[in-house]
Amino acid sequence: AQSVTQLGSHVSVSEGALVLLRCNYSSSVPPYLFWYVQYPNQGLQLLLKYTSAATLVKGINGFEAEFKKSETSFHLTKPSAHMSDAAEYFCAVSATGANSKLTFGKGITLSVRP
Amino acid sequence: NAGVTQTPKFQVLKTGQSMTLQCAQDMNHEYMSWYRQDPGMGLRLIHYSVGAGITDQGEVPNGYNVSRSTTEDFPLRLLSAAPSQTSVYFCASRPGHNTEAFFGQGTRLTVV
Repeated sequence: AQSVTQLGSHVSVSEGALVLLRCNYSSSVPPYLFWYVQYPNQGLQLLLKYTSAATLVKGINGFEAEFKKSETSFHLTKPSAHMSDAAEYFCAVSATGANSKLTFGKGITLSVRP
Repeated sequence: NAGVTQTPKFQVLKTGQSMTLQCAQDMNHEYMSWYRQDPGMGLRLIHYSVGAGITDQGEVPNGYNVSRSTTEDFPLRLLSAAPSQTSVYFCASRPGHNTEAFFGQGTRLTVV
């Protein structure tokens, strides 16, 4: 079985500050990992994905995430927050193998203060 | 390229009514899924399909039915709506296993 834990439901940062959103996963086989963003009243949009190539993954809008197997983590970072980054962020895991399901965490709401 | 299209966008049902949420994708993806999103619960998988004619249950399948007669379409049926089914429903498609999912814009369902 696979699962994702996103600690905390809300993160607030000042504009220009570092953004760090945490994600820890559980998987019995090598995982594929994803970060999605959801703006109000919209569907989910892919930010970035880890597919067992480079452990540091760069995504859209200046976000990046680092896969750390020893810590079973895939934290999302952005050096400098922008007001437009305010949204809900979801981490998701898919275990390798056919018929793999995509399992999501509970999500983190990011607020950006002017 | 429309991607994943869900209809309707909004729906209000009375308890006990039935309805079908429509989902269509034009990317020739094999995998399709239905999720529900509730505050503080993230996205929970209802049903999924790995190809036409093949469906399986997800985490919260009770009260929902699906079928997959074509690659393009994956409708979700609510058999007898209950207030606990008030939620936002998302349909997603994936090219194959271990790939990212592409989401529709969602259907906001209220059961009164």
